[in-house]
Amino acid sequence: ETGVTQSPTHLIKTRGQQVTLRCSSQSGHNTVSWYQQALGQGPQFIFQYYREEENGRGNFPPRFSGLQFPNYSSELNVNALELDDSALYLCASSLSGGGPIDNEQFFGPGTRLTVL
Amino acid sequence: GESVGLHLPTLSVQEGDNSIINCAYSNSASDYFIWYKQESGKGPQFIIDIRSNMDKRQGQRVTVLLNKTVKHLSLQIAATQPGDSAVYFCAGHSGNTPLVFGKGTRLSVIA
Repeated sequence: ETGVTQSPTHLIKTRGQQVTLRCSSQSGHNTVSWYQQALGQGPQFIFQYYREEENGRGNFPPRFSGLQFPNYSSELNVNALELDDSALYLCASSLSGGGPIDNEQFFGPGTRLTVL
Repeated sequence: GESVGLHLPTLSVQEGDNSIINCAYSNSASDYFIWYKQESGKGPQFIIDIRSNMDKRQGQRVTVLLNKTVKHLSLQIAATQPGDSAVYFCAGHSGNTPLVFGKGTRLSVIA
């Protein structure tokens, strides 16, 4: 069984640039959730994708967008980067969409984004 | 809305002692809670969960206690080992809302 993988591991961008982060879900999982984890904080939900459709969104501006592909891998795109976007971006896959009860999320190792 | 917090940002324990990590939540409608462990350079890892209709649940060396009256939960780790050193997060869920994570407690195990 292949776990959740993310790429790249680290990334440095400057303000105003755009970034794309990638996530491969665990084998058999059709749902991917993205989280932002600022230094010293807990993860904060950005959005979830279930069968290629957005299926819930947290309190993030529209410049945070995503995609899910037919193989259930996913991308997180962030436009017009701001300094406060510096964080660890985590993706988590699960067997089905919806809430976490009886639907464990498996997290990837994250992508560390630094915005200068 | 939900907010989830922890009482202490850091906790140091001697190897072999028991650890207790506490968490408070604000939303009385929260119906499900999870404890996660996050080691350096890794994503959060599920430890144990509990539904709001329970007040205690036990796993291997871990126990979660839920007190709905005071909106508090705790994670107890028995016979703490060096491999338990990590940041521990509680996360709460209600209805169709996504998981809300607390800020985390860093557990350091002293050999």
